[in-house]
Amino acid sequence: ETELTQSPGTLSLSPGERATLSCRASQSVSNTYLAWYQQKPGQAPRLLIYAASSRATGIPDRFSGSGSGTDFTLTISRLEPEDSAVYYCQQSGTSLITFGQGTRLE
Amino acid sequence: EVQLVESGGVVVKPGGSLRLSCAASGFTFGDYTMHWVRQAPGKGLEWVSSITWDGINTHYIDSVRGRFSISRDNSKASLYLQMDSLKTEDTAFYYCAKDGLWWAWGQGTLVTISS
Repeated sequence: ETELTQSPGTLSLSPGERATLSCRASQSVSNTYLAWYQQKPGQAPRLLIYAASSRATGIPDRFSGSGSGTDFTLTISRLEPEDSAVYYCQQSGTSLITFGQGTRLE
Repeated sequence: EVQLVESGGVVVKPGGSLRLSCAASGFTFGDYTMHWVRQAPGKGLEWVSSITWDGINTHYIDSVRGRFSISRDNSKASLYLQMDSLKTEDTAFYYCAKDGLWWAWGQGTLVTISS
């Protein structure tokens, strides 16, 4: 099983600041199979980034993904209040799919 | 537009059974691997099970293997999750999701296991 560890657990920032969220895998993950999701209370996860760096349809260019191998990053530049949410990374490159434990962005 | 609509979530006693359904539209259902993912209240996302396009290969997380069974009916564009010997720790929102370069998700259905 590929374990994903996200850091930090909670990130408190102000509007206009830049957020950097980390996702570290216990073994190498192909970029093709690394995704990031945003989840707000009472809502289903919303796909932000797929294939490590491709933005999903309708996602503002403030959101960007990078990384390879075992280290991946989600960057949100110029934070807006509506970006408050929990963010999850996901790997789907193995038959046992795993998610990180989430980073809460306040 | 891809649409996935889950149904079947109810309150069930421990040891009981339940079958969840997911109705798919907006894509060629029979071409894609499908998944169930769950989220316990206040917790993170946990992948539960997957089934290949042809229904031949299935995978499960250890905690549900032998108790849950995933299946699909491509003629009805539907995905199912048969849940037996339910435990309180199975309480969660259950989402179905379409595989691919990017995943599409339904809105989820709530399963509550309580005496």
